Amino acid sequence: GQQVMQIPQYQHVQEGEDFTTYCNSSTTLSNIQWYKQRPGGHPVFLIQLVKSGEVKKQKRLTFQFGEAKKNSSLHITATQTTDVGTYFCLGGSQGNLIFGKGTKLSVKP
Amino acid sequence: EAGVAQSPRYKIIEKRQSVAFWCNPISGHATLYWYQQILGQGPKLLIQFQNNGVVDDSQLPKDRFSAERLKGVDSTLKIQPAKLEDSAVYLCASSLSPWQANNSPLHFGNGTRLTVT
Repeated sequence: GQQVMQIPQYQHVQEGEDFTTYCNSSTTLSNIQWYKQRPGGHPVFLIQLVKSGEVKKQKRLTFQFGEAKKNSSLHITATQTTDVGTYFCLGGSQGNLIFGKGTKLSVKP
Repeated sequence: EAGVAQSPRYKIIEKRQSVAFWCNPISGHATLYWYQQILGQGPKLLIQFQNNGVVDDSQLPKDRFSAERLKGVDSTLKIQPAKLEDSAVYLCASSLSPWQANNSPLHFGNGTRLTVT
C-alpha cells in the first residue's frame, strides 16, 4: 500500500542553525500539506503544495514539492527556539491521505 | 472563527470498558475526520465523513470502533470494548471541503487523550 516516509525522525540543532525534513512517497501525490505540532498540542496547518516543482516560502520556512510529485521538503533557515515541535507532512494519493511519522525538532539556545 | 471543539480532554478507563468522544467541527465545514495518534507517531486516519456520509473508513477497526455524524455536524467516536493498545490521543479535524479538492487544510481540535489500564 501507499507509504509516506519522513526523515529524519529527530533533529537537534543549535539556535541559528538550519533544519530540513524530507518526505518521500511510494506513489505520486495529488498534493502535500505540512503541519507543525507543538509539544502537547495538536497539528497546525502550515502550507499546501499542489504543482510539480512548486516552491513556497513563509518567512524563514521554505517548502518544496518535487518534479515527480513524490517527494517534498521543509527547510527552516536560522532556527529559533519557537520552531521547536514535530513537523509532519500529509500526502494525498489514490484516495488515501497519509501522514508521515514526523520529524521532532529540538533547538538548543 | 471558533475552532474544532472536542470533549473530553482526558479519559482513563479499564480494558473492556466502553468510551465515547465528541467533536464539533468548525461551522460550515462539510468534511470531518477522526485520527488516532499514538505517542511518537503521526496521526492515523480512522474515518472521514463528508456531511453525514462516510468517505473512508478502511482503517477503522470496525469490530470495536464506531463513529457517526447523523446530522452532518457533530460527530461521536465510540470504542467498545477498549483494549490496552487503544491508548492514544484521538484527534478530530474538519475542513471546508474534502482534501481531494486540493485546497482544504485540516483544522484540528485539541484531542482526547485516552488511557486504557
